[in-house]
Amino acid sequence: EDQVTQSPEALRLQEGESSSLNCSYTVSGLRGLFWYRQDPGKGPEFLFTLYSAGEEKEKERLKATLTKKESFLHITAPKPEDSATYLCAVKGYGGATNKLIFGTGTLLAVQP
Amino acid sequence: DTGVSQDPRHKITKRGQNVTFRCDPISEHNRLYWYRQTLGQGPEFLTYFQNEAQLEKSRLLSDRFSAERPKGSFSTLEIQRTEQGDSAMYLCASSAAVFFGQAYEQYFGPGTRLTVT
Repeated sequence: EDQVTQSPEALRLQEGESSSLNCSYTVSGLRGLFWYRQDPGKGPEFLFTLYSAGEEKEKERLKATLTKKESFLHITAPKPEDSATYLCAVKGYGGATNKLIFGTGTLLAVQP
Repeated sequence: DTGVSQDPRHKITKRGQNVTFRCDPISEHNRLYWYRQTLGQGPEFLTYFQNEAQLEKSRLLSDRFSAERPKGSFSTLEIQRTEQGDSAMYLCASSAAVFFGQAYEQYFGPGTRLTVT
């Protein structure tokens, strides 16, 4: 069964203190790994898609990387506006499914 | 294009009542998805449409839930005889078609927050 585990559950950083969020996955053939940002009371906002091990994507202070078993979301010199829940999701080849399997997210708080 | 929209944004209903939510996807997307999210959890898949055809349903979607996409554009999700356990955020997402086996990202709407009292 496809599964996604995110760690840590919560992370508190000082402004400018870089860190990484982890997403471990088990999937029967990876069709895509997705990172989303979710603010309280809102829908998830798409950040990145990664398709194969070794792939990297960057956007402003965020960089996503992918291996065969996990993905990392690196946050460089974060600002308070980066505070949000970061969700990781996978889509596999198993069966005819088109659904995303999500982790429970990492709640990031960046203090000024 | 303003992205995926959902209506209403909030709904409070009494147990046993029926509720209906609407989703308007990004106009050029032919795939539409419904998810449910409870506090502290990631979104859980409910159902998926390609154009007007409902191609996949989760075991979470009991017989009290029904979804339609009559003309392959907007979609509705109806919950009959609501229960307190139905309280959640209901999210709609849309995507373009799969290309050479790769999965295109899904874009989410703002969600409908359902509270069953």
